[in-house]
Amino acid sequence: GNSVTQMEGPVTLSEEAFLTINCTYTATGYPSLFWYVQYPGEGLQLLLKATKADDKGSNKGFEATYRKETTSFHLEKGSVQVSDSAVYFCALSDSGGSNYKLTFGKGTLLTVNP
Amino acid sequence: GAVVSQHPSWVICKSGTSVKIECRSLDFQATTMFWYRQFPKQSLMLMATSNEGSKATYEQGVEKDKFLINHASLTLSTLTVTSAHPEDSSFYICSAKQRGSYEQYFGPGTRLTVT
Repeated sequence: GNSVTQMEGPVTLSEEAFLTINCTYTATGYPSLFWYVQYPGEGLQLLLKATKADDKGSNKGFEATYRKETTSFHLEKGSVQVSDSAVYFCALSDSGGSNYKLTFGKGTLLTVNP
Repeated sequence: GAVVSQHPSWVICKSGTSVKIECRSLDFQATTMFWYRQFPKQSLMLMATSNEGSKATYEQGVEKDKFLINHASLTLSTLTVTSAHPEDSSFYICSAKQRGSYEQYFGPGTRLTVT
């Protein structure tokens, strides 16, 4: 079946530091890949996505590239801010079926200190 | 953007009782809704998928007689935990999507504690 493995946290960084959160996946077929972010007290929000190999998703300074050869979708940001403190989830969606079910990684808590 | 609400945000109930959690799409029609369960420091685990007007499809290992899901309208789905036990204590999250769209919009979650 499908699975997502992401870097365990928590991750603590200083403001303006470089961020990488690793994510690898196992799936049949050609899944779409996502990063979701959950700010304290809020629901998950879609941060970025990529639907095919070599696609790069980007949003709010975050980037991730769909690497089929390494089955990876690592999240990066060049300079983090305190407001980026949140839990980040990597996820994949089955390409088959119309319901687009999501499989999530365990989440990585990021804390950015001023 | 699309907003999904959940009610209540937290609930405490006694063992053996039932509790209902509501999930509403506030500004769009949700043809499909999903219910997830999240344990501390764990991933979101999909429990079931419901399409409006149809019976829910449960994931393997999820007891459909214990977790009753109703999706009677395009804006409302409910999850009822029947005869709750302490091991049912968890964080329950719903999401909703529109027909033909891949994107799911998530509610803020409901913390259930069974004493």
